[in-house]
Amino acid sequence: AQTVTQSQPEMSVQEAETVTLSCTYDTSESDYYLFWYKQPPSRQMILVIRQEAYKQQNATENRFSVNFQKAAKSFSLKISDSQLGDAAMYFCAIGGGNQFYFGTGTSLTVIP
Amino acid sequence: GAGVSQSPRYKVAKRGQDVALRCDPISGHVSLFWYQQALGQGPEFLTYFQNEAQLDKSGLPSDRFFAERPEGSVSTLKIQRTQQEDSAVYLCASSFRDPQNEQFFGPGTRLTVL
Repeated sequence: AQTVTQSQPEMSVQEAETVTLSCTYDTSESDYYLFWYKQPPSRQMILVIRQEAYKQQNATENRFSVNFQKAAKSFSLKISDSQLGDAAMYFCAIGGGNQFYFGTGTSLTVIP
Repeated sequence: GAGVSQSPRYKVAKRGQDVALRCDPISGHVSLFWYQQALGQGPEFLTYFQNEAQLDKSGLPSDRFFAERPEGSVSTLKIQRTQQEDSAVYLCASSFRDPQNEQFFGPGTRLTVL
């Protein structure tokens, strides 16, 4: 079984500042992948960043980076230089085998 | 098409009715997923197809839920004898090859059961 926990239902950040969204997970799979997806209001879910669990190096995509702590089963997302367009629901997800599990999401507000 | 499309976008059903939700994945995508997203929650995995083969249906909540992808492209999620607790947004996603690749999501079908 796999579970994903996002303990921050809501977060806010000042424009141009940095914010970190938390995620912890549990899995019995030895081979798995971790994801952060973004769901803007009334818009489709899109991938923000992806991390292979077997890689020690943290993934980065422009202003988005992760802090992957495998032993602690932690996978946090850092957004640097926050922009108004970053406002959305952010979901952490784990994929192993043929199944995917999402957390309950963190609603991010960006304050101008 | 350019992305994953789903139809209808909105569906209102009376309790007990059968509904069919359609998903058109990105052309050439092997993997296809269905999720159920209740209001204020994250998507919950329902089922997974690799081409026309349904490799995992462990997330389907009851035997009233049935999914198919007969030709390995378009998929249909059918819900029989709908109940109020079936009200949710049903999301379809596809990925190019392996299920661990990036998933491209459709806009979803919002089902309301009265």
